[in-house]
Amino acid sequence: GIQVEQSPPDLILQEGANSTLRCNFSDSVNNLQWFHQNPWGQLINLFYIPSGTKQNGRLSATTVATERYSLLYISSSQTTDSGVYFCAPGPETSGSRLTFGEGTQLTVNP
Amino acid sequence: DTEVTQTPKHLVMGMTNKKSLKCEQHMGHRAMYWYKQKAKKPPELMFVYSYEKLSINESVPSRFSPECPNSSLLNLHLHALQPEDSALYLCASKGPQGVLVKAFFGQGTRLTVV
Repeated sequence: GIQVEQSPPDLILQEGANSTLRCNFSDSVNNLQWFHQNPWGQLINLFYIPSGTKQNGRLSATTVATERYSLLYISSSQTTDSGVYFCAPGPETSGSRLTFGEGTQLTVNP
Repeated sequence: DTEVTQTPKHLVMGMTNKKSLKCEQHMGHRAMYWYKQKAKKPPELMFVYSYEKLSINESVPSRFSPECPNSSLLNLHLHALQPEDSALYLCASKGPQGVLVKAFFGQGTRLTVV
């Protein structure tokens, strides 16, 4: 199966700071998603980004499929950004596995 | 409506009990998933249904029994669980290939086995 490595494992920021989270994966994929899990356990899909760059407000993501990595950028961080960020790469077939990395635990302090 | 609904939100059950977890989506998705998540760990895939047929079983013990009665519903039947099965159980759904592949998760069921 696909091996997924996320870095850093933990990140502590002051409100307003910017950050970059990284996801490396071992095999070719054409389906990669970024999720945010809030402290109550809800997983929110941030991006479906098999390649290229997307932006959504203060968040943006870039996937370079040929080099097997994806980056999630968080700008002007807010306390509500705290939680765990997971990337989940997988092949693009219905019913395919979404294999999660170990995640990055982000804490944004006021 | 981009929502996956799971019930119940919390469940406490004894090791001899039988209970079921339910998951419902009305987005027309044809792939549905069960994941198990322990504290401070990523979600682990248990089962995948594709077009109402079980397509992936990640060697899950038989005390967990999935069921997909129709394209909108997914159940997980629980019987004779162990305390180590206590976890957050998450349901997800995803559209068919090439149409919509963003996955959506329910809020989960926090299961405690006593």
